[in-house]
Amino acid sequence: GESVGLHLPTLSVQEGDNSIINCAYSNSASDYFIWYKQESGKGPQFIIDIRSNMDKRQGQRVTVLLNKTVKHLSLQIAATQPGDSAVYFCAETGGYQKVTFGTGTKLQVIP
Amino acid sequence: DTAVSQTPKYLVTQMGNDKSIKCEQNLGHDTMYWYKQDSKKFLKIMFSYNNKELIINETVPNRFSPKSPDKAHLNLHINSLELGDSAVYFCASSPVASRNTIYFGEGSWLTVV
Repeated sequence: GESVGLHLPTLSVQEGDNSIINCAYSNSASDYFIWYKQESGKGPQFIIDIRSNMDKRQGQRVTVLLNKTVKHLSLQIAATQPGDSAVYFCAETGGYQKVTFGTGTKLQVIP
Repeated sequence: DTAVSQTPKYLVTQMGNDKSIKCEQNLGHDTMYWYKQDSKKFLKIMFSYNNKELIINETVPNRFSPKSPDKAHLNLHINSLELGDSAVYFCASSPVASRNTIYFGEGSWLTVV
């Protein structure tokens, strides 16, 4: 079946450096791609999304890149801070109200 | 000012029992969901309701029965609990205009012993 998956389960980054979290997807019919952040003991929180007809979108300290040719999605976090430590999920939506989540990448920020 | 609130947060129960998790959202959203997150953090949708009507019902055992008395509430009842039901259950909601922006509750940690 269709799936959304991540390349790296754990990513360790020095505080102040930039982080790049990658995601591969297989459903070429998806309309939107979304990144969620889940802090320990909490529910996932929406960060940013991107439409399938775009290749880049920027938010506050975050940038999402979409490469439809290779079905790859990435989340870039600038000047990573300790508060960015969390599990990050990519997700896609191609059907009505159904958001499918990837397997998650744990980001560890080293002070 | 909790947007999506679910109770209980922690639940430990024996196999074979029946339990319920309640969920309420005060965001005025039309759509509510139940997601299950396993020990490997994999997050999978179980159900989706839009204005009290069932929209999505994934391959979930019929021991799981959602109930939506109104569009602000979506409760989850589980019959004959099994060890494999141990997980974190997240209630969530989203506005119809932006279904990608899902607001999750804090989760309910269910442990079946």
